[in-house]
Amino acid sequence: NAGVMQNPRHLVRRRGQEARLRCSPVKGHSHVYWYRQLPEEGLKFMVYLQKENIIDESGMPKERFSAEFPKEGPSILRIQQVVRGDSAAYFCASSPRARSEQYFGPGTRLTVT
Amino acid sequence: GENVEQHPSTLSVQEGDSAVIKCTYSDSASNYFPWYKQELGKRPQLIIDIRSNVGEKKDQRIAVTLNKTAKHFSLHITETQPEDSAVYFCAASIVRNTGFQKLVFGTGTRLLVSP
Repeated sequence: NAGVMQNPRHLVRRRGQEARLRCSPVKGHSHVYWYRQLPEEGLKFMVYLQKENIIDESGMPKERFSAEFPKEGPSILRIQQVVRGDSAAYFCASSPRARSEQYFGPGTRLTVT
Repeated sequence: GENVEQHPSTLSVQEGDSAVIKCTYSDSASNYFPWYKQELGKRPQLIIDIRSNVGEKKDQRIAVTLNKTAKHFSLHITETQPEDSAVYFCAASIVRNTGFQKLVFGTGTRLLVSP
């Protein structure tokens, strides 16, 4: 019974490159959430997606960041032209319904050099 | 507004003692309050949650209490063990105009249980 899977676990990018983070939710979960965690800080909501739809992206920067959750395949968080300030742990969570408990993946630790 | 305050930021206890972590929230419409435990370099794990139609919930050594009037909720860990050492995050739900239940997290409490 696999939980939320994320890959890669660690990602190093130079400034200006693109970062692609993948999240496979728990089997049967159609609700996916992305969070960012800076060192020594809490989790900040970025975006909420259901299959093929972005429901709420109020926590995601308007520029350089995008997210998708296609009909087939994992959810993708994409960061274009990364900057040092994007260095953080990015966690994905999934839930079976809109207002139920969220289960987190192991995170992707992005380092921008 | 969307704000969850969590105290203390660090908490050191001796093995066997109790630990209490407190959170306050600002949105009176919040109705779901989960607690997550995060060990170093690991994923946040849901350990207990409470909904606003109850005042207290217990699961073995862990309990959560909720005071909706005061907008406070607390995590209580009894008979602490070294493996309880981790960062604990509280969260409160904010229902957005899209119907989406957004979780707003506290800043975390680093709990250290000494043997």
